[in-house]
Amino acid sequence: ELKVEQNPLFLSMQEGKNYTIYCNYSTTSDRLYWYRQDPGKSLESLFVLLSNGAVKQEGRLMASLDTKARLSTLHITAAVHDLSATYFCLPSGAGSYQLTFGKGTKLSVIP
Amino acid sequence: GAVVSQHPSWVICKSGTSVKIECRSLDFQATTMFWYRQFPKQSLMLMATSNEGSKATYEQGVEKDKFLINHASLTLSTLTVTSAHPEDSSFYICSGLTGGVYYGYTFGSGTRLTVV
Repeated sequence: ELKVEQNPLFLSMQEGKNYTIYCNYSTTSDRLYWYRQDPGKSLESLFVLLSNGAVKQEGRLMASLDTKARLSTLHITAAVHDLSATYFCLPSGAGSYQLTFGKGTKLSVIP
Repeated sequence: GAVVSQHPSWVICKSGTSVKIECRSLDFQATTMFWYRQFPKQSLMLMATSNEGSKATYEQGVEKDKFLINHASLTLSTLTVTSAHPEDSSFYICSGLTGGVYYGYTFGSGTRLTVV
């Protein structure tokens, strides 16, 4: 059974600061997705990481994947209020659609 | 890009009635559709996986007779919550599987169900 641990679950950070969200998973997965969810809304795709060592960046967000360590990170640089949302990771692949989301990280960026 | 259109966005129904939620894949054929439920302040929980033309596969603990899934065409999958009760109130989200080797998941906009 795939287990996905995401931490922290809650993150309150000041504008302009940097922080990293971690996603650990228990079984082999060859790709990982990051999503953003705003209150009352569905999921918005942020990144798909397709291989070990993959790094993707979009604006103030950068995601990386280490399949050997079964770890993905979502790094936030110089946070702004618009980044306030809940972020979910979803490991997937390895021959099956293992669809277990992390519990989510609720990010609040305060002035 | 691929889009999944989900309707209705929200619905309020009385206890004991049934509610149907539709998800249509636009610009792609969703041979596989996933249905999730999300309770407030929680993560998404996979309820079932449906493949076009075959019976859905339900996750453990999900009542197949209560949550009827139909995936009769490559572009339409429906979830019917039968004999709804207040505890069924939740946010329901569908997701279509897109692509081949570089597959991904395209999410519908979600349906907020409130049973009174």
